[in-house]
Amino acid sequence: QVTLKESGPVLVKPTETLTLTCSVSGFSLSDPRMGVSWIRQPPGKALEWLAHIFSKDKKSYSTSLKSRLTISKDTSKSQVVLMMTNMDPVDTGTYYCARILWTSVGWHFDLWGRGTLVAVSS
Amino acid sequence: DIQMTQSPSFVSASVGDRVTITCRASQGISWLAWYQQKPGEAPKLLIYGASSLQSGVPSRFSGSGSGTHFTLTISSLQPEDFAIYYCQQANSFPSLTFGGGTKVEIK
Repeated sequence: QVTLKESGPVLVKPTETLTLTCSVSGFSLSDPRMGVSWIRQPPGKALEWLAHIFSKDKKSYSTSLKSRLTISKDTSKSQVVLMMTNMDPVDTGTYYCARILWTSVGWHFDLWGRGTLVAVSS
Repeated sequence: DIQMTQSPSFVSASVGDRVTITCRASQGISWLAWYQQKPGEAPKLLIYGASSLQSGVPSRFSGSGSGTHFTLTISSLQPEDFAIYYCQQANSFPSLTFGGGTKVEIK
């Protein structure tokens, strides 16, 4: 069974760095057909893609947040980590990790974790 | 980035109704996916490649379109279909963008 599970702090203070971990099972982070992405959703708002990481450690970031994001992976632990610096209350929301899959008809997120709610407040 | 605009943003419909949601891209794209999100849950993939039904998704869901205009159709709305639906483009990979969402509510 393929699963993804996010973990991390529920509350961070403004200016702090958020560190989130995505633990995956049922597939390998070294599989070249897929990667792991982070996507967030402010309360009541739409989804926003943040970052991807792929098998050969290729990484990509949202243009608007690139300066604040770092994504990494530990294949042996089946974990993907996202760090976001200089957190602000507008960063409050649910953070999801998802598996991104390549098929002949493009990239899409075929499996998602349940998400973790992060609040930014002093 | 390619911008994705969904319409309508809100649909009020009854069980058994046919519902169509539109997603327009700011430039021509080939690859589009649709997701369903229920309250308190993660999004779930429904359609990929504009018209390919994800395994396990009921056949009342269908997708179509090309270029800048895409649609998601629910042929006969069921009680469990009341949710928010999002489109997502992958042409500007690695930058993937979502539409603003369409909420389907019970009339």
